[in-house]
Amino acid sequence: AQSVAQPEDQVNVAEGNPLTVKCTYSVSGNPYLFWYVQYPNRGLQFLLKYITGDNLVKGSYGFEAEFNKSQTSFHLKKPSALVSDSALYFCAVTTSGNTGKLIFGQGTTLQVKP
Amino acid sequence: DADVTQTPRNRITKTGKRIMLECSQTKGHDRMYWYRQDPGLGLRLIYYSFDVKDINKGEISDGYSVSRQAQAKFSLSLESAIPNQTALYFCATSPGGETQYFGPGTRLLVL
Repeated sequence: AQSVAQPEDQVNVAEGNPLTVKCTYSVSGNPYLFWYVQYPNRGLQFLLKYITGDNLVKGSYGFEAEFNKSQTSFHLKKPSALVSDSALYFCAVTTSGNTGKLIFGQGTTLQVKP
Repeated sequence: DADVTQTPRNRITKTGKRIMLECSQTKGHDRMYWYRQDPGLGLRLIYYSFDVKDINKGEISDGYSVSRQAQAKFSLSLESAIPNQTALYFCATSPGGETQYFGPGTRLLVL
């Protein structure tokens, strides 16, 4: 069965410092991996995805993520955090044989302090 | 994303009532989805539809039903609402099997 784990309920960083939000997955087959962000009282916004190709994927708002097949991970990163990055982040996975059925992690709250 | 709208945005109802949540999209996507979000559980898929004549159960379909009235409209019904259906409900669309685009959500409280 497919699954996604986000091991940290909350990540705290200081503004200007690099941030990492962790995600590991378990699937049968080739994974399609996604990151979404949810701001308070808003829907989910797509940040970036990995389907194939370069393991380092760049997305919106300066975020990037690195696909690591051997560690089955897809960690979200940003070199310099902003207070406005504070939000709830979701990792999600599907596979090439099961497209359309996203499995989400439980979410990680990112708190960036001034 | 204004291309995917959900109504109502907030709803309070009582146990046993039937309610409908509506989703409309102007993106022209064939695929539509209903999820619920609970704290600490992420999003879980309730139903999905790949076109007007194709509707499928998701992970947690018990107690819910759906109707795909047109390519642009996908409604979720709670036949007889119960308190543990209190949650944030999201509709999403996609052009194919990859990126999904979400509506703003409907916050439902069942008393």
